[in-house]
Amino acid sequence: DAGVTQSPTHLIKTRGQQVTLRCSPKSGHDTVSWYQQALGQGPQFIFQYYEEEERQRGNFPDRFSGHQFPNYSSELNVNALLLGDSALYLCASSWRTENLEQYFGPGTRLTVT
Amino acid sequence: SQQGEEDPQALSIQEGENATMNCSYKTSINNLQWYRQNSGRGLVHLILIRSNEREKHSGRLRVTLDTSKKSSSLLITASRAADTASYFCATVPGGYNKLIFGAGTRLAVHP
Repeated sequence: DAGVTQSPTHLIKTRGQQVTLRCSPKSGHDTVSWYQQALGQGPQFIFQYYEEEERQRGNFPDRFSGHQFPNYSSELNVNALLLGDSALYLCASSWRTENLEQYFGPGTRLTVT
Repeated sequence: SQQGEEDPQALSIQEGENATMNCSYKTSINNLQWYRQNSGRGLVHLILIRSNEREKHSGRLRVTLDTSKKSSSLLITASRAADTASYFCATVPGGYNKLIFGAGTRLAVHP
């Protein structure tokens, strides 16, 4: 039973560029949430996708956008990268939008130079 | 912004000792969850306690929840070097399915 997978593992980008991160949820899960974790901090909720729609959004600018595909996988896009976007980006999956535990992937480490 | 606040920020103990971490939060919740993170990797779910529960056990883990004080504690008994990690509490606000994390407690267990 495959867990949550994310790609790529590491990424280095330059300020102003755009980046796309990918996530495949755990088998049987249909809801994907994205979190940003700065060094030494706890993860912060970016947004959640269910039935291919953004259902909830945290306090992040419109430069952060996402998509969910019919197979429940998801992408996180960040435009006009800033140095402050350097962080570990975590994807988590769960079943429906029930208030249950979420299963996290290993994350994508993004460095913006 | 982060709702939960863990205390202490860092904890250093010897193998075999117990480790207690505390978490406080600000608003009403549906449930509270504890996660572990090793060396900046993905988070692993440890335990979930619902707002109508007061105590829950899972192996060497014991979690308590006091909704009147808006606080929770995680106790790890008979700690091992492999328990070295960062521990986060995460609240699930009523009506939402998103996790709001604190800044975490960094636990170091020395052999």
